[in-house]
Amino acid sequence: QQQVKQSPQSLIVQKGGISIINCAYENTAFDYFPWYQQFPGKGPALLIAIRPDVSEKKEGRFTISFNKSAKQFSLHIMDSQPGDSATYFCAASNFGGYKLSFGAGTTVTVRA
Amino acid sequence: NAGVTQTPKFQVLKTGQSMTLQCAQDMNHNSMYWYRQDPGMGLRLIYYSASEGTTDKGEVPNGYNVSRLNKREFSLRLESAAPSQTSVYFCASRRTSGRANEQFFGPGTRLTVL
Repeated sequence: QQQVKQSPQSLIVQKGGISIINCAYENTAFDYFPWYQQFPGKGPALLIAIRPDVSEKKEGRFTISFNKSAKQFSLHIMDSQPGDSATYFCAASNFGGYKLSFGAGTTVTVRA
Repeated sequence: NAGVTQTPKFQVLKTGQSMTLQCAQDMNHNSMYWYRQDPGMGLRLIYYSASEGTTDKGEVPNGYNVSRLNKREFSLRLESAAPSQTSVYFCASRRTSGRANEQFFGPGTRLTVL
């Protein structure tokens, strides 16, 4: 049983649009919430991460929004570019990232 | 630095055959992990090693064994391969300084069991 539920499974967005991916978790002991980006044929790579003491973290065009009371967090990709086309995984862990539980993944396609 | 390397990149096995997937990291990380990735399932942890000399089961350990040969190397063994083990396998290592607790992944091994 997956501890982190991710949606949607896939999405298509036009260049310049906003991509939004949502994740939900149940384990209130989770204290570290990273997002990983994976290109075809490659291993996942850390994109951005947040801890539950803040509600939002922004790095360039990528923003994590975190709602502790709802046990939900989301990734927003602003001004989406064709180079952002990839699979995105949310994850969660306790003890600061020691063991990660991953969501099922979202394939994002950005149309030029 | 090569980061995390995995061999082989591709492998085809027949049911019942055995094989070992190799993983090495040159980043002096203590923790290492083996995941499998299946469509619609995300990445699931098979085994992990918190430090040299220790290994622990993850979410889906059945049918697998691991060896933490030294600080650099962490191997995954399939003793008797089954079609259900057809998957892409990723090795990862973890640092605990700088960009907090990031796991670094290798390029993966695509395994098909016929």
